[in-house]
Amino acid sequence: KQEVTQIPAALSVPEGENLVLNCSFTDSAIYNLQWFRQDPGKGLTSLLLIQSSQREQTSGRLNASLDKSSGRSTLYIAASQPGDSATYLCAASNTMNRDDKIIFGKGTRLHILP
Amino acid sequence: DGGITQSPKYLFRKEGQNVTLSCEQNLNHDAMYWYRQDPGQGLRLIYYSQIVNDFQKGDIAEGYSVSREKKESFPLTVTSAQKNPTAFYLCASSLWTGGSMNTEAFFGQGTRLTVV
Repeated sequence: KQEVTQIPAALSVPEGENLVLNCSFTDSAIYNLQWFRQDPGKGLTSLLLIQSSQREQTSGRLNASLDKSSGRSTLYIAASQPGDSATYLCAASNTMNRDDKIIFGKGTRLHILP
Repeated sequence: DGGITQSPKYLFRKEGQNVTLSCEQNLNHDAMYWYRQDPGQGLRLIYYSQIVNDFQKGDIAEGYSVSREKKESFPLTVTSAQKNPTAFYLCASSLWTGGSMNTEAFFGQGTRLTVV
């Protein structure tokens, strides 16, 4: 059974710094991995999706990498801003079958200090 | 605009009453999901459906029921059998084509249910 872990649970970083958020998964037979952002009391916003055949994806200041062999994904945020403060969740999708499920980590709560 | 809509945003119900949360999508997605989010617990899967008239139990289905009569709609009923229904409920959808797949998931804005 797939398990997704995000450490640390919370992180505070001064504005302007680059930072890395970590996501690990136990079953390397993933089909894709997705990173989301959640603001307090809101739904999830998709940030980046990495297919299993890809190593990384980039969108603006965000870069997500995927290493299936080690069961890890990272989300790199460059030049952090106070508006980046939110909870970041990663989610793994395992199969191509009709019973495919998306398994979430518990998230990392990020606070960018002005 | 294309998207996934949950309603209402806030819902209050008395203990012992059933309540139905709405989720509608116009993205033409095959798959739809219901998650429950509690503080410090992350997202837990309640039910999911990959095709009309078919759905599967997730990890915490007890006390909940769903239907998928239309591709666009996946309502969730929280029954009186659910012991601790107060939570933030999130609906999601994704595309599944069976061949070249893009299973990026999109979420609604959530419904906060409070049972008093």
